[in-house]
Amino acid sequence: DTGVSQNPRHKITKRGQNVTFRCDPISEHNRLYWYRQTLGQGPEFLTYFQNEAQLEKSRLLSDRFSAERPKGSFSTLEIQRTEQGDSAMYLCASSADGNLEAFFGQGTRLTVV
Amino acid sequence: AQTVTQSQPEMSVQEAETVTLSCTYDTSENNYYLFWYKQPPSRQMILVIRQEAYKQQNATENRFSVNFQKAAKSFSLKISDSQLGDTAMYFCAFMKNPSGTYKYIFGTGTRLKVLA
Repeated sequence: DTGVSQNPRHKITKRGQNVTFRCDPISEHNRLYWYRQTLGQGPEFLTYFQNEAQLEKSRLLSDRFSAERPKGSFSTLEIQRTEQGDSAMYLCASSADGNLEAFFGQGTRLTVV
Repeated sequence: AQTVTQSQPEMSVQEAETVTLSCTYDTSENNYYLFWYKQPPSRQMILVIRQEAYKQQNATENRFSVNFQKAAKSFSLKISDSQLGDTAMYFCAFMKNPSGTYKYIFGTGTRLKVLA
């Protein structure tokens, strides 16, 4: 197992375009998280999946954001009509049930121009 | 709502010396967990050490130890015998007594540079 994998690592997009990021968690981790990290800030929680069910969403997750985890395996995070304020590092993490430690991917750095 | 504060944006330390990173938090919870995560340049975050609030004994992991002061809501990280590989961003994180989400609340981080 190579850990949590995120693709792409970098994405530059024009304002108003849609973007989609992918996260492949550690196999058999049923918990999956998305966090957003802006410059000078710590990661902020966006959303959480247990298996395929999205059980919690932060108020940071506007209606332009949607996340899915079909079949409880990989997850995608889509941002529609991107804005410059969406520029950030998007981190994915996974953990096993009952385990407090989350394992993070290297993130996808989004730049909206 | 819980908050985590790291008041040292940047720190540096000479190789082989000891450095302490500060973290304070605010919560009305009695049971919770505290963590230090390390984020090396261009690499993923990894767990350094964790502390359960119900434990009075400070956690230790090799060269890393914490000073947990529950009443003061303080959770500092001490790195002994600093190594060049310790250069990274360090984030303090809080987790409520897990009941469902197990999500972290992170501080703003401290950038640590170990000097040769």
